[in-house]
Amino acid sequence: GAGVSQSPSNKVTEKGKDVELRCDPISGHTALYWYRQSLGQGLEFLIYFQGNSAPDKSGLPSDRFSAERTGGSVSTLTIQRTQQEDSAVYLCASSPQMGGGKGEQYFGPGTRLTVT
Amino acid sequence: QKEVEQDPGPLSVPEGAIVSLNCTYSNSAFQYFMWYRQYSRKGPELLMYTYSSGNKEDGRFTAQVDKSSKYISLFIRDSQPSDSATYLCAMSAKSNYQLIWGAGTKLIIKP
Repeated sequence: GAGVSQSPSNKVTEKGKDVELRCDPISGHTALYWYRQSLGQGLEFLIYFQGNSAPDKSGLPSDRFSAERTGGSVSTLTIQRTQQEDSAVYLCASSPQMGGGKGEQYFGPGTRLTVT
Repeated sequence: QKEVEQDPGPLSVPEGAIVSLNCTYSNSAFQYFMWYRQYSRKGPELLMYTYSSGNKEDGRFTAQVDKSSKYISLFIRDSQPSDSATYLCAMSAKSNYQLIWGAGTKLIIKP
């Protein structure tokens, strides 16, 4: 079946502009995650959704970052007033399990954000 | 100290060699252990999944968990240049959705 998709695949924006990143999870997956990965670094957790609610927003770096999920499906990550340090690959993952369980996550290809 | 430690490498080995990749962790509550493979400019893909202690084999890959030592390993037999990637370990507690990630080890298989 279809995997996790993300759009755009690449985004170049000027410092100070807002950007919106989109994630389409695997159909039927209840959990959705956003991560950030800087060049050569591991995964930095940003936010987690269970259905449409976000019980864990602890990883959002600042109040310029926000995310929402509608219909238990598509999610958007919005970065306002982008800064150069926001440049990274933003990865989305979804998981079929609610709460406990295996916890395995399936990733999209990522959005490469470059702030100039 | 991080909850999950993983040597970033790079680890460079000749084609055909047996590769050993490892992670150590500090939280004894972890029950689920995963290995992900990430090719350059791609998202991570789930490679191996193991519950609790023991071994799991899938083709050329073997995942091993030693909970008493808080140590997990991924072995790759007959390594191929196509195995060149970054390998990330991840783990979670039984009733916790949150995966805790290692930083990833970059593996290079030389033809």
